[in-house]
Amino acid sequence: NAGVTQTPKFQVLKTGQSMTLQCAQDMNHNSMYWYRQDPGMGLRLIYYSASEGTTDKGEVPNGYNVSRLNKREFSLRLESAAPSQTSVYFCASSEGNRWEKLFFGSGTQLSVL
Amino acid sequence: SQQGEEDPQALSIQEGENATMNCSYKTSINNLQWYRQNSGRGLVHLILIRSNEREKHSGRLRVTLDTSKKSSSLLITASRAADTASYFCATDASGNKLVFGAGTILRVKS
Repeated sequence: NAGVTQTPKFQVLKTGQSMTLQCAQDMNHNSMYWYRQDPGMGLRLIYYSASEGTTDKGEVPNGYNVSRLNKREFSLRLESAAPSQTSVYFCASSEGNRWEKLFFGSGTQLSVL
Repeated sequence: SQQGEEDPQALSIQEGENATMNCSYKTSINNLQWYRQNSGRGLVHLILIRSNEREKHSGRLRVTLDTSKKSSSLLITASRAADTASYFCATDASGNKLVFGAGTILRVKS
């Protein structure tokens, strides 16, 4: 099984450009998450989706939008990238709607110049 | 804001030694989880301990939880070079969302 797959792995954007980070899981999990990881700050929750058709804001949602396209896919969109969004982005999923035993993708390293 | 904070920030030991990492948190929790992150990779779930449990084992891992002190420890026994990674605790306070600490960087020298 592939688990959680994120694309792309690396991306460089100019300030103001837009892009969508893709995430798909093949474990039939209900819940999916987007986190960002910055040096010395651990992971911070951007958005999450407890089930298909629902999304909710996390700790740092400003500047991002998400779409739960179906049960498998959860995308993160940056409409107008800013240097402060330079980070490593992780998608994760978990069974049911409990915040337990999250499975993570390998991450997208994003640089905004 | 970070609910859990790991201590120490970095730890360097010899292969075969034990490694202990601590996590402190601020508010009541339902469970506490530990994750490992190898360089350039995503996080991997290691172990979950619930608030009514005091100790849990998984292979060479031993986790303790002291809810009165709002702290947890992760012990890795007989460490190996492959244990070199960052270790994060995560708690489910803050509206039941999972919040991660900043992590402990463990280096095991062979």
